[in-house]
Amino acid sequence: EPEVTQTPSHQVTQMGQEVILRCVPISNHLYFYWYRQILGQKVEFLVSFYNNEISEKSEIFDDQFSVERPDGSNFTLKIRSTKLEDSAMYFCASMTGGAHYEQYFGPGTRLTVT
Amino acid sequence: KNEVEQSPQNLTAQEGEFITINCSYSVGISALHWLQQHPGGGIVSLFMLSSGKKKHGRLIATINIQEKHSSLHITASHPRDSAVYICAVRYGNGNQFYFGTGTSLTVIP
Repeated sequence: EPEVTQTPSHQVTQMGQEVILRCVPISNHLYFYWYRQILGQKVEFLVSFYNNEISEKSEIFDDQFSVERPDGSNFTLKIRSTKLEDSAMYFCASMTGGAHYEQYFGPGTRLTVT
Repeated sequence: KNEVEQSPQNLTAQEGEFITINCSYSVGISALHWLQQHPGGGIVSLFMLSSGKKKHGRLIATINIQEKHSSLHITASHPRDSAVYICAVRYGNGNQFYFGTGTSLTVIP
């Protein structure tokens, strides 16, 4: 069964460093999402991406964040200058399309900023 | 406006019990998503619904648009059902999902 994959599973970085989190969505899906979950807290929406552009973003998704789909298969989240409070689990999700379709989530990348 | 509330926050049940988890939200949702988060952190989609009722195996999800409320039921609960169950909603034509804080379910053998 097709699945969303994410790499790395765990990333440790120093404050101020740039990180790129990678996701490979399911191949025929059209909508892509990034979420984060700070330890012990609820899942929070970061950004949605459709037709090669951001379709919606939350207040969390500020200028430090960017997303890209560089080659038609990978979907990346870049954090330019990490802060301690960026430490969280980051989930990628993809969806085939439409309002009533389910999202498929990747296993997540645990980002630890020291 | 965009709050999603779940109850209970924590739930412990004996194996075989019937479980109900509740989700309340604001007006104007276009879809409601029930998700299961395993102890290891992975998230699995259970249901996406906008009206009525859906059933998959021992899981049943219902939604009442007028009352702005959805329930997730688990029949004949089993220890492997132990997980966090999360409700997430989408309002109108937006792409953003708003998540509840989750209900942590523990099923004891």
